[in-house]
Amino acid sequence: SAVISQKPSRDICQRGTSLTIQCQVDSQVTMMFWYRQQPGQSLTLIATANQGSEATYESGFVIDKFPISRPNLTFSTLTVSNMSPEDSSIYLCSVEGDREGLGAFFGQGTRLTVV
Amino acid sequence: KNEVEQSPQNLTAQEGEFITINCSYSVGISALHWLQQHPGGGIVSLFMLSSGKKKHGRLIATINIQEKHSSLHITASHPRDSAVYICAVWGDKIIFGKGTRLHILP
Repeated sequence: SAVISQKPSRDICQRGTSLTIQCQVDSQVTMMFWYRQQPGQSLTLIATANQGSEATYESGFVIDKFPISRPNLTFSTLTVSNMSPEDSSIYLCSVEGDREGLGAFFGQGTRLTVV
Repeated sequence: KNEVEQSPQNLTAQEGEFITINCSYSVGISALHWLQQHPGGGIVSLFMLSSGKKKHGRLIATINIQEKHSSLHITASHPRDSAVYICAVWGDKIIFGKGTRLHILP
């Protein structure tokens, strides 16, 4: 199994500022995933981050707004840039698990409130 | 129509009751996951299913591939089971249901 440490767990930010969320995995993983969960909504994939290449963004998400770094096989960051109240969400990182057992592991989530 | 539908959306039950949460999907999948989301937002993966049934403690998950339906059961429910339970399917992409908010009263 993988243990994922995500921080910060929560933050309240002023509009127009940026927040970087960090995700540390206790083992090397090829792909890391970043999700957003807006209030009352289901999880939505923002992007997939592979080490050594640019992240792949889903429709509706762009690199300028959500830049992602993946400097090595155990670490990734997601930045929420130029924040507005609409960015208030829970942000989660995830890695694939053992397909014979648990299929995914998630970080503890970052609850972001933009005021 | 959503590709993954969960029911009920909200469920309140007394401690000890048998709980069933349902998930129906309309796409081809390679696996289905049941996830548990705690109030702080953290998510724990409970089960990954591609066929049949799995059991872990008081939790049981079943899937019927032909009917495109899965159920999560909790036996002898307890207040600490209170959480949001999310069904997610793995196909061409991962699709999440909106979750079922479960509240177990002591």
